[in-house]
Amino acid sequence: EADIYQTPRYLVIGTGKKITLECSQTMGHDKMYWYQQDPGMELHLIHYSYGVNSTEKGDLSSESTVSRIRTEHFPLTLESARPSHTSQYLCASSRTGFSSYNEQFFGPGTRLTVL
Amino acid sequence: EDKVVQSPLSLVVHEGDTVTLNCSYEVTNFRSLLWYKQEKKAPTFLFMLTSSGIEKKSGRLSSILDKKELFSILNITATQTGDSAVYLCAVGTNAGGTSYGKLTFGQGTILTVHP
Repeated sequence: EADIYQTPRYLVIGTGKKITLECSQTMGHDKMYWYQQDPGMELHLIHYSYGVNSTEKGDLSSESTVSRIRTEHFPLTLESARPSHTSQYLCASSRTGFSSYNEQFFGPGTRLTVL
Repeated sequence: EDKVVQSPLSLVVHEGDTVTLNCSYEVTNFRSLLWYKQEKKAPTFLFMLTSSGIEKKSGRLSSILDKKELFSILNITATQTGDSAVYLCAVGTNAGGTSYGKLTFGQGTILTVHP
């Protein structure tokens, strides 16, 4: 079944740890995105990718980094987590092509808490 | 800077009521307006609107776009408790002729439907 997956769903870690949030999609989409969402607030784009080996920073500055070595996989890494990184991280993907332009499909999210 | 504003921020109704959610926007290079429903986790896609005056309908939900006045409404008739969620409006834009597919999200409207 075509879908978009994120792991872990919840993560509680201590300050200074390196973490990687996983995102995979089986829909064959070229474009993938990472959003950050604080409770009650709007989604902010932090990274996006047009395709393999393409990554760009989004509108909201983030200390995280991303990579896109395979079409289906778009992991996000924090080298040294801090309490200010506590948030929900949502991964999304979309097709290329006008008929489905901008329609993004979202994963279930990872709720990160840094103590 | 692209901006999407939703109103009201919060709405409490009883089952059977009809609600109207508003979304206004100020963006450069408008391509489409999307509505999402977000319950506990990931936003799920409801509608994408690209043309003014054409109503999109799905069951009890309907939406329409006014590109002249730069707003959209989402109507829900005969509300049910299962409609309780955050409703997100997002506007898709072009970035300098690329097919980036950027979405700018509003803050969302929290809808609570009581039995």
